[in-house]
Amino acid sequence: QSILTQPPSASGTPGQRVTISCSGSSSNIGANTVNWYQQLPGTAPKLLIYNNNQRPSGVPDRFSGSKSGTSASLAISGLQSGDEADYYCAAWDDSLKGVLFGGGTKLTVL
Amino acid sequence: EVQLVESGGGLVQPGGSLRLSCVASGFTLSNHWMSWVRQAPGRGLEWVANIKQDGSEKYYVDAVKGRFTISRDNAENSLSLQMDGLRAEDTAVYYCARRRAGSSWSSFDSWGQGTLVTVSS
Repeated sequence: QSILTQPPSASGTPGQRVTISCSGSSSNIGANTVNWYQQLPGTAPKLLIYNNNQRPSGVPDRFSGSKSGTSASLAISGLQSGDEADYYCAAWDDSLKGVLFGGGTKLTVL
Repeated sequence: EVQLVESGGGLVQPGGSLRLSCVASGFTLSNHWMSWVRQAPGRGLEWVANIKQDGSEKYYVDAVKGRFTISRDNAENSLSLQMDGLRAEDTAVYYCARRRAGSSWSSFDSWGQGTLVTVSS
């Protein structure tokens, strides 16, 4: 069981907007910024969102992140079949002195 | 182009040792914290260790403390992970990852392709 809690699955139809949540505590999300990763099948993870809501160069603006208190969310609008992947949130934990990843959310485009 | 290429994975018996390497190219390694992140088969991501630019600070997940050692050689553009006392639960794909400059501890902007470590008798 991961300390950062994500729903194991999410789904949507093409064109829809979906959100994925990530719940933590005061020592991790509450105290540090959140990053999101996309892992397409059989590939290495890719940084999707950093510093809560910033997109690296090349990431479409269909992807957005937000944080409030001890929770964070990733939103994907204009869903595409190519968005089918596993999505992970991550944050530093001040108490554990380590990086935490959420358990991952498998996104299915119906 | 930024590239990270891992090597050194393989099959090892419980209690054995393995040394993973990661060669960096396309950027100045000495400017970045570096990390190892692993992923057990069919499971999620797990951070393993961090090392500061000059190697003076290192952090480990509790599960590997005392067994794994992260190191770097900036002159050789390489990162290493010495793994001793391996256990079945260490079986995973191990990724080398670069911390994004100026960003948080959990912001990894470049990843290698991964190297598979299997611990089994």
